[in-house]
Amino acid sequence: EVQLVQSGGGLIEPGGSLRLSCVASGFPFNDAWMSWVRQAPGKGLEWIGRIKSKAAGGAIDYATPVKDRFTISRDDSKNTVYLQLSSLKTEDTAMYYCIWDMYGSGSYYFYFWGQGILVTVSS
Amino acid sequence: DIQMTQSPSSLSASVGDRVTITCRASQNINIYLNWYQHKPGKAPNVLIYAASNLQSGVPSRFSGSGSGTDFTLTISSLQPEDFATYYCQQGSSISYTFGQGTKLEIK
Repeated sequence: EVQLVQSGGGLIEPGGSLRLSCVASGFPFNDAWMSWVRQAPGKGLEWIGRIKSKAAGGAIDYATPVKDRFTISRDDSKNTVYLQLSSLKTEDTAMYYCIWDMYGSGSYYFYFWGQGILVTVSS
Repeated sequence: DIQMTQSPSSLSASVGDRVTITCRASQNINIYLNWYQHKPGKAPNVLIYAASNLQSGVPSRFSGSGSGTDFTLTISSLQPEDFATYYCQQGSSISYTFGQGTKLEIK
């Protein structure tokens, strides 16, 4: 059974930092490309960034709004992908989803989603 | 970034109705368009990838079509479990942008 179990969310003050974790099981994590997507309260879905597998070069891409503040990494020995959130702003308050990505007929899509973890940035 | 625009933003319909949601890309994305269903308190799940390919396990009442800049998601006969928010997403290029969502509500 495929699982993505997320942890690390919570309440954090503006300017603070937080690290989210996502532990994968049930699929070949080493070969997986993984993304993070968030949803602010009452808003739509926003792609944050993606890390490729090491076999594909391990490149990391970010959305412009978070490029200099968020860092994605992975530890294949632990089947875990991380999202480090820094210099947090109130507008970063959102549900954060870890996702196993896929290509289908040339289209890049978000195949399997974690349960989500809430990050609240507030003083 | 490629902008994705869905219409309508919300829609009221009855069980058994045929429903169509549209999605327009700001530039040509070939067939690289995906659709998701999102229910409150749950993670989104993919329905359709590459415009018209039904994800395994998704009921056949869901279908997708389109290419270039204009796409549609059709639900042929609404079921009670289909009331949710639907998002399109372009799978052509970074930043893999989503539409703003279409909330499908019970009439």
